[in-house]
Amino acid sequence: DAGVTQSPTHLIKTRGQHVTLRCSPISGHKSVSWYQQVLGQGPQFIFQYYEKEERGRGNFPDRFSARQFPNYSSELNVNALLLGDSALYLCASSLAPTFTDTQYFGPGTRLTVL
Amino acid sequence: DAKTTQPNSMESNEEEPVHLPCNHSTISGTDYIHWYRQLPSQGPEYVIHGLTSNVNNRMASLAIAEDRKSSTLILHRATLRDAAVYYCILRDRNDYKLSFGAGTTVTVRA
Repeated sequence: DAGVTQSPTHLIKTRGQHVTLRCSPISGHKSVSWYQQVLGQGPQFIFQYYEKEERGRGNFPDRFSARQFPNYSSELNVNALLLGDSALYLCASSLAPTFTDTQYFGPGTRLTVL
Repeated sequence: DAKTTQPNSMESNEEEPVHLPCNHSTISGTDYIHWYRQLPSQGPEYVIHGLTSNVNNRMASLAIAEDRKSSTLILHRATLRDAAVYYCILRDRNDYKLSFGAGTTVTVRA
């Protein structure tokens, strides 16, 4: 079975631009979470979606938004990019959001903002 | 979020056991202890989790102190592929996200 897939693998943008990152969960998984990992730090939670509804939001500005589609894939959008948005963006899927669920991570999208 | 404390780094020789400590003195009775690891250039992957009793799976063992204020992840025979950052994470019943700290960077010497 295919794991979590993310696209694109790498992306270079300039300040002020907009970016859309995509995630396809493992087949049968209905929950998708997004994390930001800055170099040298652990991943930080951005959003969680389940059954197309937002179930949790981390401490990120409103420039960050996401959505989940009927096929459970998800998009993360970031507007008005800042240099500090440069990071690895990770998507994780699980069967359903519980406090014991196993989250399966994709390889991430490396975003560089110049 | 409940907090965990881990050493910044640990070194081990190949085929020797590795014991990774995690302190969580403010743990509540319903917090689960989760471990994930992140190999170089990959996303994190689940290792193991437990509540009170020690747990074993094909990847590792989790030893939980009787007072639950600390735990130890045990890799029984380290291989070069076990070189990674290991994260100890607490999750309560209302916490659907993973709250990663800085983790412990494990280096395995051949």
